[in-house]
Amino acid sequence: AQTVTQSQPEMSVQEAETVTLSCTYDTSENNYYLFWYKQPPSRQMILVIRQEAYKQQNATENRFSVNFQKAAKSFSLKISDSQLGDTAMYFCASRLGETSGSRLTFGEGTQLTVNP
Amino acid sequence: DVKVTQSSRYLVKRTGEKVFLECVQDMDHENMFWYRQDPGLGLRLIYFSYDVKMKEKGDIPEGYSVSREKKERFSLILESASTNQTSMYLCASSYHRANQPQHFGDGTRLSIL
Repeated sequence: AQTVTQSQPEMSVQEAETVTLSCTYDTSENNYYLFWYKQPPSRQMILVIRQEAYKQQNATENRFSVNFQKAAKSFSLKISDSQLGDTAMYFCASRLGETSGSRLTFGEGTQLTVNP
Repeated sequence: DVKVTQSSRYLVKRTGEKVFLECVQDMDHENMFWYRQDPGLGLRLIYFSYDVKMKEKGDIPEGYSVSREKKERFSLILESASTNQTSMYLCASSYHRANQPQHFGDGTRLSIL
C-alpha cells in the first residue's frame, strides 16, 4: 500500500518570493511516479509537475521545480517568484508501476496563499 | 485540450434518494475515476474503471456504485443517499500508462439534507 503525507495544511508567501511545499511518501515498490497537482479556487485540479522515480534529475517546469530525495522518500515542490495566481490548494500524489489499473494516492493537501 | 465534464456543479438531494453523478471525457481515455474530497482528508478514491464495463473498488466504496457502459462516460450512484455523503465529488480520466496524468472535472458539490 502507498501513503502520501503533506504535513503543512496551510502556508503563505509574499509575492515574488520562493516557497517550498513538503511531501513524503511510503512505498515498497521501485517503479512509481510522483505528481504535484494544483486546485485553484475555481476548483478544477490541474497537473503542475511530475517525476519518474527512476530518474535522478529533478523535474522542472518554468517556476516550479521539485526536490526528489528517493532514499528519504521525500518529494517537495519549490515555487519561485510566487505570483498571486499561485494561490491554490496543492496536492502531492503517487502512482505505482505500469499496470493498467494503477491509481493515484493523494496527500491531504496544502493551502498556499500568495500575498501581495 | 482534454475536457472532463461533470453534469452538475451543485446538487441538493434528500436522505434516502438515489443520486446519479455523471462524468464524460472526450479524450478516449481508458481509465476513469471517482474521488471524494473532504477538508483535511485530501482526495479519496471511491471507484475506478480501466475499461468499459470494468470497475474496481477504491478506498471508500461503501454506499456507492458505478456504471461504465460506454468508454467516455462513468457514472457514480449513491444508492440511498445519507447525510455523511455530503461532499465534493471529483471525476478524473487518464490513459493507461502510469506516467500519464489524470485530468479532472470541475467537481460536484453534493449536499444531502
